[in-house]
Amino acid sequence: GENVEQHPSTLSVQEGDSAVIKCTYSDSASNYFPWYKQELGKRPQLIIDIRSNVGEKKDQRIAVTLNKTAKHFSLHITETQPEDSAVYFCAASRLSNTGKLIFGQGTTLQVKP
Amino acid sequence: EADIYQTPRYLVIGTGKKITLECSQTMGHDKMYWYQQDPGMELHLIHYSYGVNSTEKGDLSSESTVSRIRTEHFPLTLESARPSHTSQYLCASAPSTGDNSPLHFGNGTRLTVT
Repeated sequence: GENVEQHPSTLSVQEGDSAVIKCTYSDSASNYFPWYKQELGKRPQLIIDIRSNVGEKKDQRIAVTLNKTAKHFSLHITETQPEDSAVYFCAASRLSNTGKLIFGQGTTLQVKP
Repeated sequence: EADIYQTPRYLVIGTGKKITLECSQTMGHDKMYWYQQDPGMELHLIHYSYGVNSTEKGDLSSESTVSRIRTEHFPLTLESARPSHTSQYLCASAPSTGDNSPLHFGNGTRLTVT
């Protein structure tokens, strides 16, 4: 079945450093790839998404890259700040009426001041 | 304010009880979803709905049931709660457009079955 693998499961960086989280997906028909940030005790919130007709998308300090051939996509956070500390989830879905998202296992990012 | 609301926020209940977790959204979204998530862990889809009178089971086997009688309301029911049902339940919604749209999540219900 459809599967999304996410690595690493935990990531600790120093404030100001960059953080990279990687995901691979199994369904070659997937064409929508959102990233969610979930702070402790709060709801997941969309931070950036990318569609399969685009290879890279950037929004201030965060960027996502997509390699459809290799079926993997990555989240890049530059100049990390303590408030970036959270659990990050990647997800994938195919264009369909359901909009079903398959989530990765999550990455706990800790940014040390 | 347009949002998605879940009640209760926390629930502690004994084994064998019947419970209903409420989810309502005021955004006019057609698609609604229920995910199960242990704290900080992966989200597993347990039910979803395209619109009124449409419900489907998700990828994770669940002993719960759902109904969609009104667009804005998507309650989840456990007929007989068990300790294995202890988890966080997240409701989400999305607009029904021709392209994929991001999910909007509620704040979740944290369920403990003793």
